[in-house]
Amino acid sequence: KAGVTQTPRYLIKTRGQQVTLSCSPISGHRSVSWYQQTPGQGLQFLFEYFSETQRNKGNFPGRFSGRQFSNSRSEMNVSTLELGDSALYLCASSLRLVAGALRYNEQFFGPGTRLTVL
Amino acid sequence: AQKITQTQPGMFVQEKEAVTLDCTYDTSDQSYGLFWYKQPSSGEMIFLIYQGSYDEQNATEGRYSLNFQKARKSANLVISASQLGDSAMYFCAMREANNAGNMLTFGGGTRLMVKP
Repeated sequence: KAGVTQTPRYLIKTRGQQVTLSCSPISGHRSVSWYQQTPGQGLQFLFEYFSETQRNKGNFPGRFSGRQFSNSRSEMNVSTLELGDSALYLCASSLRLVAGALRYNEQFFGPGTRLTVL
Repeated sequence: AQKITQTQPGMFVQEKEAVTLDCTYDTSDQSYGLFWYKQPSSGEMIFLIYQGSYDEQNATEGRYSLNFQKARKSANLVISASQLGDSAMYFCAMREANNAGNMLTFGGGTRLMVKP
């Protein structure tokens, strides 16, 4: 069974540009979450999509957006890039959307996209 | 306040010895889940172990065990018989029932280095 794939793996952009990152979840998984990892802020939740709908959103500016397609693949977009957007962007897929933490639901992470903004 | 605190930025352990990585958490939810992930230099997050707040027994997965002390709000990871391949960053994370979906809150991580 193929794991979570993210493309591209590495990306270099300049300030002011926009970027689109892609995530393909494990086959059959319908939930896709995105995280940003930086040395200063650590791992922070961006948003989660389930069945093409955004279900939860972290504390990020509106420049960060995402979407999910009918095949569960997800994209995230960052417009008007800033130097501080340089980070490792991780995508995680899950089989289901959890209602309450009692129910265990493993998340499988992809290898990430390393974005460098110059 | 930090929801997940990992107080050890870096640790060394001798190969074949056991090591404990600390994690304390803060939540007002009665229902929550605690996770440990390993992140090698390649960047991918690898799931290690899970503990639900209502689980009465400490979770174990092979060489990994979770020392769950609910009253103290701690969920320390114990790795037995360390191997060179265990050298990586380790993250403690929490999912709270009041949050919709699968959102995880992560700690700052601990870098573990295994010495031969």
